[in-house]
Formats: sequence, structure tokens, C-alpha cells
Amino acid sequence: GNSVTQMEGPVTLSEEAFLTINCTYTATGYPSLFWYVQYPGEGLQLLLKATKADDKGSNKGFEATYRKETTSFHLEKGSVQVSDSAVYFCALAGNQFYFGTGTSLTVIP
Amino acid sequence: DTAVSQTPKYLVTQMGNDKSIKCEQNLGHDTMYWYKQDSKKFLKIMFSYNNKELIINETVPNRFSPKSPDKAHLNLHINSLELGDSAVYFCASSQSSTSGLTQETQYFGPGTRLLVL
Repeated sequence: GNSVTQMEGPVTLSEEAFLTINCTYTATGYPSLFWYVQYPGEGLQLLLKATKADDKGSNKGFEATYRKETTSFHLEKGSVQVSDSAVYFCALAGNQFYFGTGTSLTVIP
Repeated sequence: DTAVSQTPKYLVTQMGNDKSIKCEQNLGHDTMYWYKQDSKKFLKIMFSYNNKELIINETVPNRFSPKSPDKAHLNLHINSLELGDSAVYFCASSQSSTSGLTQETQYFGPGTRLLVL
């Protein structure tokens, strides 16, 4: 079946630190992969996506590469800002969306 | 322009009451969803409609009944509210793909924060 396993949080980083949030998946076929971000008190927003192996999704300085050999889609950012504090969800699109459990990120000045 | 909107944003009510949450999307999508997010931020899909037809109905108490009057609207009615129903409910929409798989990006509403006392 389809599933997404996401790194547990919470994660606390200082401003300008490097961020990695791990995401691995189990799927039949070749699903699209997504990262969504949820800022406090808001709904989920698409951050980036990748639709096939070796695709790299990028947005707002965040990147993730669809790695079929390791079934991973890790989220990275080279230098985080306080405004990046949010909950991040990895998701897989199969016959429905499968979301990870979310990783809370707090960036301190 | 709001793509996916929900009303109300906040809902505080007593146990045993019946309430409805409304959702509308102006993206021209033909698939809509309801999700429940608990206090630990875990997201669980409840229902999915495609062109007014129910296509996903997860294990949800039958006190929850979705209604789709047209493909731009998907409402959620909850009967006999219980304390455990307290959560944030999100509506979402997407364009369905020709393969029948949900490969397309889902767009979420701002959420309805339900508190049952």
C-alpha cells in the first residue's frame, strides 16, 4: 500500500541554519510527491512538488529531489528564516493523498 | 480572490448539537475533499467527491454526512456532536487526472476550528 514516513519533530533551529526534514515513502507505481507548509492558524499551502524520479521541486529557497532508489523526498533549505516557522507535511498522491504526520519547525533569531 | 473558502472559521457548540460547515471553490476543479486535523496536526481524509459523486468515504462515524449540491460546493453536516469531534476541518479541491489517480495538487481552505463543549 501507499504510505509516507516523515521525520518526527519538533525541530528548533537558529536563523541561517541548514534545514533537512526527512521523508520516505512506500508506493505502488510512480506517484507524485509534495511538500506542503502550514503556518500557524492557516490552511495547508503547496510548497513544492515533483512528479517523476530525479525531478527536483523548488520554491522559496526550499528544495526536494524525488529519489526512486532510496524512496525519499527530503526537504532542504540552506538558510532558514524566522518566517519559515511552520509545520511541514510530506505527501504522496496515489488513489488519494497520503500525508505524513507533519514536522513542526521553529526558527529562533 | 479566495480559491477555496470555508465558513464558519470558528465554531463553538454544545455536545449533542447538529452543525454544518460549508466549502466553496472557484478554481473550476471537479474533485473536493474533507480532512480532519487533530490537536497533534495529524491529517486524516474523511470524504472525497468527484463531480458531485462520493468516491472516498473513509471510516468516519455516520453522524458525518457530506453533501455536494454542485461541483463547486461540498458541505459537511455533523449530527449529535461529541467532544471527540473537536478538531480543525479542512476542505480541499483538485483537478482530477485522466488516469483516475490523484496526481494533481490539492488546494486547501483556511480551515474551520470546531470546539465541542
